[in-house]
Amino acid sequence: GNSVTQMEGPVTLSEEAFLTINCTYTATGYPSLFWYVQYPGEGLQLLLKATKADDKGSNKGFEATYRKETTSFHLEKGSVQVSDSAVYFCALASGTYKYIFGTGTRLKVLA
Amino acid sequence: DGGITQSPKYLFRKEGQNVTLSCEQNLNHDAMYWYRQDPGQGLRLIYYSQIVNDFQKGDIAEGYSVSREKKESFPLTVTSAQKNPTAFYLCASSKGGTGPYEQYFGPGTRLTVT
Repeated sequence: GNSVTQMEGPVTLSEEAFLTINCTYTATGYPSLFWYVQYPGEGLQLLLKATKADDKGSNKGFEATYRKETTSFHLEKGSVQVSDSAVYFCALASGTYKYIFGTGTRLKVLA
Repeated sequence: DGGITQSPKYLFRKEGQNVTLSCEQNLNHDAMYWYRQDPGQGLRLIYYSQIVNDFQKGDIAEGYSVSREKKESFPLTVTSAQKNPTAFYLCASSKGGTGPYEQYFGPGTRLTVT
């Protein structure tokens, strides 16, 4: 069946460091891929998405490229801020209503 | 502003009691979802509904029930049959039809059962 694997956290970085959070997936067909962010005590917010191979999603300085050859959708940001501290979820959707979420990666950015 | 509201934010119940969590959306979305979130386990789908008066079980539906009498409302009842109900519950909605479409989430309800 479909699955999403994210790197284990927590990830601790200094402000202005480069961020990579790895995400790989297993799916039949051509899923859409998403990154969501969750701040403490809140629901998830969509950060970015990509719907087909080689698409690059981007938002608020974050980027991720849909790599079909490596079945990956790694999240990157060139310079993190303290305000980026949150939990990040990779997700895929294949078919209209079935979403699969990764287990989440906690990011802590230190000033 | 359009969005999803969940109430209450915190809920405390005694073991053996049923409890209903509210979820309302004004995004005019056809599809709605309930997830359970436990530490280190990500999100697990409890129930989802594609259209009014119709809903399907997700991966962990045992001990839960839902209704979808109105497009904007999708309440979740946690019954006494749920073995470990203490968790953070998230409601979401999305457009219907041919997708997939991104999901929009509510702020969540943290349920504690003692």
